[in-house]
Amino acid sequence: DAKTTQPNSMESNEEEPVHLPCNHSTISGTDYIHWYRQLPSQGPEYVIHGLTSNVNNRMASLAIAEDRKSSTLILHRATLRDAAVYYCILRDVGDNYGQNFVFGPGTRLSVLP
Amino acid sequence: DAGVIQSPRHEVTEMGQEVTLRCKPISGHDYLFWYRQTMMRGLELLIYFNNNVPIDDSGMPEDRFSAKMPNASFSTLKIQPSEPRDSAVYFCASRLAGDHTDTQYFGPGTRLTVL
Repeated sequence: DAKTTQPNSMESNEEEPVHLPCNHSTISGTDYIHWYRQLPSQGPEYVIHGLTSNVNNRMASLAIAEDRKSSTLILHRATLRDAAVYYCILRDVGDNYGQNFVFGPGTRLSVLP
Repeated sequence: DAGVIQSPRHEVTEMGQEVTLRCKPISGHDYLFWYRQTMMRGLELLIYFNNNVPIDDSGMPEDRFSAKMPNASFSTLKIQPSEPRDSAVYFCASRLAGDHTDTQYFGPGTRLTVL
């Protein structure tokens, strides 16, 4: 699996936007970019995913660089409930459904009131 | 939908005892995954099933670990005998084949402490 690199931790103030970066310089053309997050004492949960175009959903936005070697998860207005570990994961769309997600250490986001 | 259900939520046992963790995937999901999370190693896959058949168990640490999926709505992860280094949070996840988002849905986890 292609590897991702994320900052270990980030801080944000409540109600401000948060930009969580992810570098994936070895990404292949068939790799989807997935983001999951893990709230304290819970299992990981899906946030968003994309291939080439920027994506928006009710939770967040995903901005993908034109060369696809990096991406940014955007939380438009951070709340205290967004404090979590955020994982950026690459998943080969050509994979025959078999592969697990490889979770790295992720970015621990702290949200300050 | 109730989501992925795991039991027990917490388990404390003594070294050498048998431990059985249980998982009920989301109804209709074809894939079931068992993960383990520790501070040292993070979240790592142990084994996954497709249509109740084990596909990849290369993450199972050793023969003390075994997993079964007797039917589409139930899976167990057994550790026998348990050791203190098995202390971790064990997550079960399920996924629907053909879901274009490739989303895995995780349960709340079982926190295992082996004394």
